[in-house]
Amino acid sequence: KAGVTQTPRYLIKTRGQQVTLSCSPISGHRSVSWYQQTPGQGLQFLFEYFSETQRNKGNFPGRFSGRQFSNSRSEMNVSTLELGDSALYLCASSPGRRQGSNGRALYEQYFGPGTRLTVT
Amino acid sequence: GQNIDQPTEMTATEGAIVQINCTYQTSGFNGLFWYQQHAGEAPTFLSYNVLDGLEEKGRFSSFLSRSKGYSYLLLKELQMKDSASYLCAVRDSNYQLIWGAGTKLIIKP
Repeated sequence: KAGVTQTPRYLIKTRGQQVTLSCSPISGHRSVSWYQQTPGQGLQFLFEYFSETQRNKGNFPGRFSGRQFSNSRSEMNVSTLELGDSALYLCASSPGRRQGSNGRALYEQYFGPGTRLTVT
Repeated sequence: GQNIDQPTEMTATEGAIVQINCTYQTSGFNGLFWYQQHAGEAPTFLSYNVLDGLEEKGRFSSFLSRSKGYSYLLLKELQMKDSASYLCAVRDSNYQLIWGAGTKLIIKP
């Protein structure tokens, strides 16, 4: 199976602009989660989509939004970019449903390579 | 609030054994994950614990004690390629993953 793909891999924007990042999950996976990663901060959860519906949301301002399409592909949008938005944005996909009685592989997430966003 | 604590950095010698600890305080518990992340790369799944005890997978083992809110990742026969960050994550009652900041492991020859 092909892995999770993210586009673009690198992006440079200026303050005030907006940006859209794309994520294609593993075929058959219906859950897509987005994370922001900055040095020393670890992974900060942005939101999770399952079957085109936002299932969970982290503590980020409304400038950060997302959506999921019927083919499970997801996009994340950041409006009015700030310098502090410079980070690695990771997308992760998972089946999103129970697969076994012991719960294994239930919520294992497979990460894409990420999009490195630099805001100047 | 929800919190995951891991040491920021650890150093070990090639061929040795290292234990990376993770303590958590979350609203509910639906499993604990360990991921490995090499510099500039995406995290990759290492292990998953939902019941107390030790899960062994080759050179890597992961232990969980739910009553203590504690887990550790044990790496044996360390190799230089094990130099990476190791991330601990807990899925809470809302099935949201809460992540630790990661432990940077440095392997010296």
